[in-house]
Amino acid sequence: DIQMTQSPSSLSASVGDRVTITCQASQDIRHYLNWYQQKPGKAPKFLIYDASNLETGVPSRFSGSGSGTNFTFTISNLQPEDIATYYCQQFDGLPLTFGPGTKVDIK
Amino acid sequence: VQLVESGGGVVQPGRSLRLSCAASGFIFRSYGMHWVRQAPGKGLEWVAVIWYDGSKKYYGDSVKGRFTISRDNSKNTLYLQMNSLRAEDTAVYYCARDPKLGSSGYVFDYWGQGTLVIASS
Repeated sequence: DIQMTQSPSSLSASVGDRVTITCQASQDIRHYLNWYQQKPGKAPKFLIYDASNLETGVPSRFSGSGSGTNFTFTISNLQPEDIATYYCQQFDGLPLTFGPGTKVDIK
Repeated sequence: VQLVESGGGVVQPGRSLRLSCAASGFIFRSYGMHWVRQAPGKGLEWVAVIWYDGSKKYYGDSVKGRFTISRDNSKNTLYLQMNSLRAEDTAVYYCARDPKLGSSGYVFDYWGQGTLVIASS
């Protein structure tokens, strides 16, 4: 199975800050990575596919990059509504696996 | 797009439970579907996937041989039959739609609100 790790596990930042989360795969997954946002008590929401493509309707302050084993997710201008846990998910092979999540809150 | 799960509840370890996911707002028979679960306070774990026509099914290692995913395209409904439940199966179970499925990848583009399963004596 492909193992996914994320760092940091949590972070606190101010409104307007640039926030970066990293996701690492245990083997080369090319660009086969998605990102999701989960707000407290809610179902996850799909944000980014194929490592860097923004899903329709997702604000442009969200972005993703990377390939192979190292990926980055960025919020360029943190907003109060971005308080959530963010998960990466690989789809290079079954079983599909998620990173452990990064909890983002406002300082 | 709307996905509504039901069937969760408290069940004794070793017993069975069947979850349902009612789909609306899209052509259900054209999409692959997944079950994803989340233990209390924990991260997301993929459980199973079924092809749009039910022809292929795959499972996560922790549920293989105990859980069965199925669908009824005439009823726009996805199912998860869970047998031999264990305490570690306690989680919120989400159904999720997949517009890609298979050769072009897997993605969960819409999720239901989830249904809670508690396996406890």
